[in-house]
Amino acid sequence: DADVTQTPRNRITKTGKRIMLECSQTKGHDRMYWYRQDPGLGLQLIYYSFDVKDINKGEISDGYSVSRQAQAKFSLSLESAIPNQTALYFCATREGQNTEAFFGQGTRLTVV
Amino acid sequence: AQKVTQAQTEISVVEKEDVTLDCVYETRDTTYYLFWYKQPPSGELVFLIRRNSFDEQNEISGRYSWNFQKSTSSFNFTITASQVVDSAVYFCALSDSYNQGGKLIFGQGTELSVKP
Repeated sequence: DADVTQTPRNRITKTGKRIMLECSQTKGHDRMYWYRQDPGLGLQLIYYSFDVKDINKGEISDGYSVSRQAQAKFSLSLESAIPNQTALYFCATREGQNTEAFFGQGTRLTVV
Repeated sequence: AQKVTQAQTEISVVEKEDVTLDCVYETRDTTYYLFWYKQPPSGELVFLIRRNSFDEQNEISGRYSWNFQKSTSSFNFTITASQVVDSAVYFCALSDSYNQGGKLIFGQGTELSVKP
């Protein structure tokens, strides 16, 4: 099994719909992240979390919310999806400031 | 503020050429960590290297080498004798002490195309 699992892997949704992307990890790390990837913009940080009670906004949090249900689970929600949220979304986890991040396989989201 | 800049959006080379991918970073901290990741066409993100701010030694791993220069805030990545399998998007990333070292910030990425 993968260390970081994202579901779904692909999703098409309509404008205005609420959608949740889920992420779970088996690394036992406290830190979890959500990134968005757009061509030419790289990976932009949406939210990050140190534990279930410590959630922080990243660079592009507007239009998104997150929930850290447990150490191993970190969900990203789009309350009312819009077409410019069409992107590839990655979840990641890492042990500490000085360690590399482990990424999920990504979720390709299309908002029509 | 933290920032990572990869000014080269796309690079195209012919197989066996050497190629250098540039990464320039900004941070106010004296303790920080730099990373390189590879994203092949299949889409996953593969960790390549980590470097801390106190270690300016260059590193070589096979055909890959990294040049870290604090004086110019750069952490450049060179592929020697490139191969078609090196075709990918490469990302540079920075982690410093801001907010307990929580943030991991990526550059825009450089798409490398190696042609046979």
